[in-house]
Amino acid sequence: DSGVTQTPKHLITATGQRVTLRCSPRSGDLSVYWYQQSLDQGLQFLIQYYNGEERAKGNILERFSAQQFPDLHSELNLSSLELGDSALYFCASSASGGDADTQYFGPGTRLTVL
Amino acid sequence: AQKITQTQPGMFVQEKEAVTLDCTYDTSDPSYGLFWYKQPSSGEMIFLIYQGSYDQQNATEGRYSLNFQKARKSANLVISASQLGDSAMYFCAMRPNTGGFKTIFGAGTRLFVKA
Repeated sequence: DSGVTQTPKHLITATGQRVTLRCSPRSGDLSVYWYQQSLDQGLQFLIQYYNGEERAKGNILERFSAQQFPDLHSELNLSSLELGDSALYFCASSASGGDADTQYFGPGTRLTVL
Repeated sequence: AQKITQTQPGMFVQEKEAVTLDCTYDTSDPSYGLFWYKQPSSGEMIFLIYQGSYDQQNATEGRYSLNFQKARKSANLVISASQLGDSAMYFCAMRPNTGGFKTIFGAGTRLFVKA
């Protein structure tokens, strides 16, 4: 158990809908990362937050948004969902967010868009 | 461009033997971190080992060691005394210190351990 929690574990929804994925980092970690893992794209970095502020942005679509709250939990919002958004979404956390920081991953949320 | 290459889509190893999973990377950043993660069939990502670009010695964590050759830009994972539970996908990742701290993952290598 990495100490990172993600809810829900599974999510099934329809195209065009909006969903919110939630992540709680390990105790003491200030940085949160979101990743998307799909069969065709592999593991893709989406976005990183550090202590409430956006720190790095990867291949995140405009239909997706995220935030980190004062209690350090984070939410990833996915809207206008398409079939291709079906994937495993991971949240990871690390202590400070530097290049030497180990990221610990949550169990993931499996999103299925029908 | 930043890139991680894992050239072995799948590998077999006999139980109790050692195995090396290859990883090469490309970056112009002088400072970066290299990581290996294991993803069993259950789906979670498990951190295995870290190597910093300025570390003089190869990292080791139990049965895992990282064969870091900076000039060749390679960071191969060596698993000694393979166990059946080592069967999983293994991902190499790099995190440059510049360019927005984006972590880049390789495509992964699926390891099968035979009894």
